Amino acid sequence: GEDVEQSLFLSVREGDSSVINCTYTDSSSTYLYWYKQEPGAGLQLLTYIFSNMDMKQDQRLTVLLNKKDKHLSLRIADTQTGDSAIYFCAEKGSSASKIIFGSGTRLSIRP
Amino acid sequence: EAGVAQSPRYKIIEKRQSVAFWCNPISGHATLYWYQQILGQGPKLLIQFQNNGVVDDSQLPKDRFSAERLKGVDSTLKIQPAKLEDSAVYLCASSFETSGNFEQFFGPGTRLTVL
Repeated sequence: GEDVEQSLFLSVREGDSSVINCTYTDSSSTYLYWYKQEPGAGLQLLTYIFSNMDMKQDQRLTVLLNKKDKHLSLRIADTQTGDSAIYFCAEKGSSASKIIFGSGTRLSIRP
Repeated sequence: EAGVAQSPRYKIIEKRQSVAFWCNPISGHATLYWYQQILGQGPKLLIQFQNNGVVDDSQLPKDRFSAERLKGVDSTLKIQPAKLEDSAVYLCASSFETSGNFEQFFGPGTRLTVL
């Protein structure tokens, strides 16, 4: 079945780059997403990538997709304290509009 | 543009009691979703509506959970009777369309604690 996996925690120093990794199993995924969830809030879509792309850049965010290995990563350049949150990787298959979420990676920033 | 509204924000009940959650999606969004997010996990889709019709309810525990979206706008999610394992955050989301690259806009959620 469909599954999305992420590491649970990541700690980086303020100003460094953060790289959050994700693997998925559905080879027919059409879109892959990164969502951000701050404490007490709902999820906010950060960025997405279509499955025929291998990279997408949006300001401080860079998404890399390795479709062969079913690996997705999110790089946040110049990480700031406001980037502290849980980041969810998600994928959408071609057969339905249902989105499958990973368990989230908690990003903490140390001074 | 107003976001997705949910109420209540918090609810504490005892097991076997009933509870209902309310969601008001973004105006004009035809598709509405209810997710269950258990602590430490990602959201899991419970039910998806397009207008007032159900698109996907395959993961909704229908023996105790029910949802409706009368008139294709607001929606309510009900649990009757609640179990301890229903403790979670219930997120409502809406989107303008159901296919393609659609962005789901999430509400703040209702945190349910079942004692």
